[in-house]
Amino acid sequence: EPEVTQTPSHQVTQMGQEVILRCVPISNHLYFYWYRQILGQKVEFLVSFYNNEISEKSEIFDDQFSVERPDGSNFTLKIRSTKLEDSAMYFCASKVSGVSEQYFGPGTRLTVT
Amino acid sequence: AQSVTQLDSHVSVSEGTPVLLRCNYSSSYSPSLFWYVQHPNKGLQLLLKYTSAATLVKGINGFEAEFKKSETSFHLTKPSAHMSDAAEYFCVVSRDTGTASKLTFGTGTRLQVTL
Repeated sequence: EPEVTQTPSHQVTQMGQEVILRCVPISNHLYFYWYRQILGQKVEFLVSFYNNEISEKSEIFDDQFSVERPDGSNFTLKIRSTKLEDSAMYFCASKVSGVSEQYFGPGTRLTVT
Repeated sequence: AQSVTQLDSHVSVSEGTPVLLRCNYSSSYSPSLFWYVQHPNKGLQLLLKYTSAATLVKGINGFEAEFKKSETSFHLTKPSAHMSDAAEYFCVVSRDTGTASKLTFGTGTRLQVTL
């Protein structure tokens, strides 16, 4: 069964460094998402992406964040200058057109020190 | 605007007894509703979904949920709990079906299953 994959599973970085989180959505999916879950808190929407542009973003998704689909398979989330409060589990999700359910990857745990 | 409220942060049941995880939603639109499960150190797995078809929805692993518009509820049930059901369960709402609509998560209910 096809699934969303994410790399790395765990990333440790120093405050102020740039990080890129990578996702490979399910191959025939057209809508892509990033969510995050700070430890002990609920899962929060960051951004949705369709047809090579951002469809919607939350207030969390400020100028420090960017997304890109650099080729036909990868979907990346970049944080330009990480802060301690960016430490969280980041989930990538994807879906096909015409349905509402999204399929999630296993997540990348980002630790900013 | 849309939101979900999970009424219990933690539920503990004995193996073989029924499970009830409660969820109320608020939506300005006709919502799509979901339950996702997160096992320890794992990703989010879709358990079941409601998208304006049958109000009683069956999911994987014997779970069911009933959409009650009059009560704005979407409670998750299972007749008999198994040890492997121990996990975090999220009630989730989405605005509509065909666009890039985001998912809005509840705060989660941790289900503990004891012998």
